[in-house]
Amino acid sequence: ETGVTQTPRHLVMGMTNKKSLKCEQHLGHNAMYWYKQSAKKPLELMFVYNFKEQTENNSVPSRFSPECPNSSHLFLHLHTLQPEDSALYLCASSQETGGAVADTQYFGPGTRLTVL
Amino acid sequence: RKEVEQDPGPFNVPEGATVAFNCTYSNSASQSFFWYRQDCRKEPKLLMSVYSSGNEDGRFTAQLNRASQYISLLIRDSKLSDSATYLCVVAAPGYSTLTFGKGTMLLVSP
Repeated sequence: ETGVTQTPRHLVMGMTNKKSLKCEQHLGHNAMYWYKQSAKKPLELMFVYNFKEQTENNSVPSRFSPECPNSSHLFLHLHTLQPEDSALYLCASSQETGGAVADTQYFGPGTRLTVL
Repeated sequence: RKEVEQDPGPFNVPEGATVAFNCTYSNSASQSFFWYRQDCRKEPKLLMSVYSSGNEDGRFTAQLNRASQYISLLIRDSKLSDSATYLCVVAAPGYSTLTFGKGTMLLVSP
C-alpha cells in the first residue's frame, strides 16, 4: 500500500546533526499528522496540519520543527536532538469533514530514528 | 487515570480460540472510537470503528458501553495472522486528534 509514504525509513543521527523527515500522502486528504511512538508508550500526537495550517502543537520541544508546504507533503525538521528522542516517527493523513465523529487516519510506515 | 487504558498482555491463545480485549477511557465526552491493529515494526492500521449499537465485521465484534466508558473487541476463531498489537483509540467530539492506548498484544499459536 502506498497511500502514505515516508522517507527515510531508518535514520541514525548524532546530537549535533540536522536532518529532515518527509511524508507524502497520495489520498487527496486535507489533514496530516506527526506522531511519536516510543517503546512501551502509546502513540503521542506531535503536530496536526489542517488545510496546510498548523492546528495542534502538543508541547513539542522546539528541536522538532514541522513544515507543511502543501496538503500532500509534510516535513519534520530535526536539530540538536537528544538520545531520548529515539523512536518511531509516524505520519498520518485523513480527510477532515468537520463532523462530530473523527475521521479515519491512515498511517505511513514510519521512520525509525536513533539518536546517538 | 490514564486517558485510554488497555491490558498490555500478551494474550496467548491457540488457533481457533475466542479472545476478548477491553479498553477504558476517561473522557466521558468522547465521541468516536476505533480499534487499530499494529503488526511488529509496522504502522497502525484501522481494524474497525466502534458504533454505539455495536458492530461486527466477520470474526471481529466491537462493543461500546458509554455508561461504563469501555470498549471491547471480540475475535472469534483466531488465526495465526491475528497475532498483532491491538490499539484502542478514542477521539473527543469535533476533533480529529486521536488518543491511543498502549495496545494489547495478541499471540496466536498453532
